[in-house]
Amino acid sequence: DQQVKQNSPSLSVQEGRISILNCDYTNSMFDYFLWYKKYPAEGPTFLISISSIKDKNEDGRFTVFLNKSAKHLSLHIVPSQPGDSAVYFCAARFQGAQKLVFGQGTRLTINP
Amino acid sequence: NAGVTQTPKFQVLKTGQSMTLQCAQDMNHNSMYWYRQDPGMGLRLIYYSASEGTTDKGEVPNGYNVSRLNKREFSLRLESAAPSQTSVYFCASSEPGLASDEQFFGPGTRLTVL
Repeated sequence: DQQVKQNSPSLSVQEGRISILNCDYTNSMFDYFLWYKKYPAEGPTFLISISSIKDKNEDGRFTVFLNKSAKHLSLHIVPSQPGDSAVYFCAARFQGAQKLVFGQGTRLTINP
Repeated sequence: NAGVTQTPKFQVLKTGQSMTLQCAQDMNHNSMYWYRQDPGMGLRLIYYSASEGTTDKGEVPNGYNVSRLNKREFSLRLESAAPSQTSVYFCASSEPGLASDEQFFGPGTRLTVL
């Protein structure tokens, strides 16, 4: 049972445009959502997070939106840069727990 | 400050062989984790250690054992490797109590079981 789903395996965006990565979840007991970025042959690195009590969190070019009624979150990158080409993982944390549940990942390619 | 380190980077085993993957962190974190990454499956938790002296099963623990040697080190052992354990293994650490419980990952170990 996949509790965190990223339904788009890949996404291609032109440099300078907005990239939107999506993530859906099924469990209402998640209290934090995180996005990680992963380059080939490296470990994932933390990008941005959002608490379940908020609907938006912004950090420079990166903004995460949370729609609790739809159990959906999205990561917006604007403007997209070639260095943003990577695999992006959505993750969720159960309230009171330390474990994270990860989605399958979306490979973002930024075209010049 | 090296963060999370893992050894080895690559390993090829034959079915039935055993090996131990090593992980160490220098951030004084209490919690450590082992994940595997497979195509189309994302990152799946194998085992984790909430604090020194404790370990708990994650989503896919079968075929693995772990040891939290001390606060810095957390090893993953495959007693009898199987082809289904071919994967990329990541170790991570975090400090409980931080708002989002951000986890810091090592560079990974690519394991092939023939």
